Amino acid sequence: DTGVSQNPRHKITKRGQNVTFRCDPISEHNRLYWYRQTLGQGPEFLTYFQNEAQLEKSRLLSDRFSAERPKGSFSTLEIQRTEQGDSAMYLCASSLGVQPQHFGDGTRLSIL
Amino acid sequence: EDQVTQSPEALRLQEGESSSLNCSYTVSGLRGLFWYRQDPGKGPEFLFTLYSAGEEKEKERLKATLTKKESFLHITAPKPEDSATYLCAVQALGNNAGNMLTFGGGTRLMVKP
Repeated sequence: DTGVSQNPRHKITKRGQNVTFRCDPISEHNRLYWYRQTLGQGPEFLTYFQNEAQLEKSRLLSDRFSAERPKGSFSTLEIQRTEQGDSAMYLCASSLGVQPQHFGDGTRLSIL
Repeated sequence: EDQVTQSPEALRLQEGESSSLNCSYTVSGLRGLFWYRQDPGKGPEFLFTLYSAGEEKEKERLKATLTKKESFLHITAPKPEDSATYLCAVQALGNNAGNMLTFGGGTRLMVKP
């Protein structure tokens, strides 16, 4: 099964450190999305790529967050100078055009 | 601003006891309404897309319906393996964010044997 793959599954880090997550979408999907989900809430949109172009960023995405999709395949999400409030599940989804989005199992980030 | 509200927040059922989950939405123009299932520690799993009022979709014990203001997920004779959080999300027309999804808070369903 070549679904959406996210690594690492869990990340524990100290406040102030930088972290990077990776997402490998379904191979033929041209659109890639990042969402954030906190306990008991639904996912919230962060940013979106069509191929390698980052076309939209949410107001939730502060300047400490940066995302890339260098060759239109995998994507990385980096958080600099992590804060307690960054603790969440970071979900990646991909789609082929306007078809439904398919999600990975996320990276759970815990800030000590 | 697009908004999605799901009720109830949590629902306990006995095995075989049918019920419905509600998703109320406000959106400038609806491209599609989506239902996902999420198990603990996992990402959302796609169930259904509904595009227009009156549309219905079915899958095993689940049936989703859509009106102009809300959607229902009907669960018929549920089994313990149906226990999960069910998420509703909308996509707006004319949204520059490539069809980003706006999610509700989910309904946590527990089915007891």
